[in-house]
Amino acid sequence: DAGVTQSPTHLIKTRGQQVTLRCSPKSGHDTVSWYQQALGQGPQFIFQYYEEEERQRGNFPDRFSGHQFPNYSSELNVNALLLGDSALYLCASSLVRHEQYFGPGTRLTVT
Amino acid sequence: TQLLEQSPQFLSIQEGENLTVYCNSSSVFSSLQWYRQEPGEGPVLLVTVVTGGEVKKLKRLTFQFGDARKDSSLHITAAQPGDTGLYLCAGPYGSSNTGKLIFGQGTTLQVKP
Repeated sequence: DAGVTQSPTHLIKTRGQQVTLRCSPKSGHDTVSWYQQALGQGPQFIFQYYEEEERQRGNFPDRFSGHQFPNYSSELNVNALLLGDSALYLCASSLVRHEQYFGPGTRLTVT
Repeated sequence: TQLLEQSPQFLSIQEGENLTVYCNSSSVFSSLQWYRQEPGEGPVLLVTVVTGGEVKKLKRLTFQFGDARKDSSLHITAAQPGDTGLYLCAGPYGSSNTGKLIFGQGTTLQVKP
């Protein structure tokens, strides 16, 4: 049984560009949450998708947007990249209101 | 604002030593979770504690949830190099479990052989 998968593993972008990160949830899970983890810090909640809608949102600007597809996979989009967006982006899947299982993350570097 | 504060932030010990990591808040949490994260990987769930005063054991790891459900601790007995990693505590935001998790800043543990 495959766990949570994320792509790409690493990404380098330039300030001002846009980026799309992808996540496939663990089999049987219907809820996907996205987190941003700066180096040496704990993850910070960006938003959560359930039934193809954004259900919860953290304290992140509108430059951060997402989508969930009918097969429960999800994308995270970040527009107008800033140097401060450099981080590990984690996807977690779960059944709604149950324990979350994390993917390996996508390391984004903005230069 | 719900916050989780972990201490210490960094711990470097010799193999065989014991250690305790603390996770504290001024807010009550319905549950708390502990994760371990290794470099280049996502956090892996170790345990969830739900009841105030609860103690759970996972081999050499002992987890405790405070009676008031505002704090938790992780105790490792006879640490091994394989225990090296970032330990994170996390709890659900708000009074109901909506799925939004709040994390502490983490404790980096280094166990030297």
